[in-house]
Amino acid sequence: GQNIDQPTEMTATEGAIVQINCTYQTSGFNGLFWYQQHAGEAPTFLSYNVLDGLEEKGRFSSFLSRSKGYSYLLLKELQMKDSASYLCAVVRGDYKLSFGAGTTVTVRA
Amino acid sequence: DAGVTQSPTHLIKTRGQQVTLRCSPISGHKSVSWYQQVLGQGPQFIFQYYEKEERGRGNFPDRFSARQFPNYSSELNVNALLLGDSALYLCASSLWDTDYSGANVLTFGAGSRLTVL
Repeated sequence: GQNIDQPTEMTATEGAIVQINCTYQTSGFNGLFWYQQHAGEAPTFLSYNVLDGLEEKGRFSSFLSRSKGYSYLLLKELQMKDSASYLCAVVRGDYKLSFGAGTTVTVRA
Repeated sequence: DAGVTQSPTHLIKTRGQQVTLRCSPISGHKSVSWYQQVLGQGPQFIFQYYEKEERGRGNFPDRFSARQFPNYSSELNVNALLLGDSALYLCASSLWDTDYSGANVLTFGAGSRLTVL
């Protein structure tokens, strides 16, 4: 089966840094996506990792360790608009996506 | 450019009824996938179509069916609705159905929220 775990909720203050961890056990691996989803809206693409290491894109960075089945999304200089759910999605061996339940991040002033 | 568009945005049905949800992919995208997202959970894979052929089916009953048209748009049908079918149904498109990358990203529509009473 597919098992993707991420924390349910995280809270941080404006301007701070938050790290959202994702661990996975899936049938095959062809990459990992992070999506942001505001309440009632579509998930929007943040990052994609297929090789080990850190991918940096502005205030957001994503890290992958395939040997450990582990990824994290790092959000820096938090803004109020970053309050959202963050979804970790693994591309399985059959190229279908398995999603975690999502981490709700609340940014406080 | 228009993103992935879905219709209707909201709908209410009663148990036993049937529903058809529609999706238009981003222009040039040939792969369409359907996901079900229950409140508080991540999206669950239902179907994937590429070039009008079914490329995968998730763990959903036969009451769920889908198809892709020559213009790459897609419909998801759910028969004999149950209360548990209440969810946000997301459609996502990509250029092709494999080799995801920064250049081949799964892009989601805003979804169709189905409530079954």
